[in-house]
Amino acid sequence: DVKVTQSSRYLVKRTGEKVFLECVQDMDHENMFWYRQDPGLGLRLIYFSYDVKMKEKGDIPEGYSVSREKKERFSLILESASTNQTSMYLCASSSDRRRGNQPQHFGDGTRLSIL
Amino acid sequence: AQSVAQPEDQVNVAEGNPLTVKCTYSVSGNPYLFWYVQYPNRGLQFLLKYITGDNLVKGSYGFEAEFNKSQTSFHLKKPSALVSDSALYFCAVRDERGSSNTGKLIFGQGTTLQVKP
Repeated sequence: DVKVTQSSRYLVKRTGEKVFLECVQDMDHENMFWYRQDPGLGLRLIYFSYDVKMKEKGDIPEGYSVSREKKERFSLILESASTNQTSMYLCASSSDRRRGNQPQHFGDGTRLSIL
Repeated sequence: AQSVAQPEDQVNVAEGNPLTVKCTYSVSGNPYLFWYVQYPNRGLQFLLKYITGDNLVKGSYGFEAEFNKSQTSFHLKKPSALVSDSALYFCAVRDERGSSNTGKLIFGQGTTLQVKP
C-alpha cells in the first residue's frame, strides 16, 4: 500500500512566522501535490511537482512556496503566516506512468492554526 | 472551462436503503473521473475511477458509479447503505489544463453522506 506521511497532524503558529509542512511518500511516485481544504470549498491546489526540483503553481499559490529536493519529499512553506492561512493542508502523490489516469494517494492532513 | 459540481451539500439515507451521491462535470475532452471518501480527521481515500470502457464502474467497499456521457454525470451509488458509510465524498476530474499527464485533479466541493440506523 502507498503511504503518504505528513509530519504533523496539528500545528499552531503565530502570525508572521515561517512555517514548514513536510510530506513523504514511499512509492517512488513522480507527482506530488499540496492542497488546502476549507469547508464548502472542497480541495484547492496550492502547488504540485512532477519531478525533483520541478514545481508548478496551482490555483492558489499566493503566500506559499514549495521545495522538492528529493523524489520522496515535498515541503510546503508559508513564508510569513497569516490568519487566513488557517486551514487543513493535504499532501498527495501519484504515479505518472499511465498519462494522468492514476489516482492520487493522500496523507492524513495537517490542521494548521495561525494565531 | 473545466469544472466539477456536487449539487447536494448533504445526503441523508436510512441504513439498508440504496444511496446516490451526485456529480456532474464539464470538460473539453474525454473525462477521467474519480470518487474519493474522507472520514473525520483523515485524508482522502480513493474509491473508484472511470477512464474508458464500461459505463458502470465498481470500486471499494461495495460502491459503484455510473458514467453518463450525454448527461455529463458520474453519480456514486451503493445498493444498501451502512452507518459506517457516513463520511464526506468528493468527485474529481482530471485537470486538462497544461500538460495532460501531470495527474492533476479538479475536485468538487464535497457531499456529506449521513446514514442513519
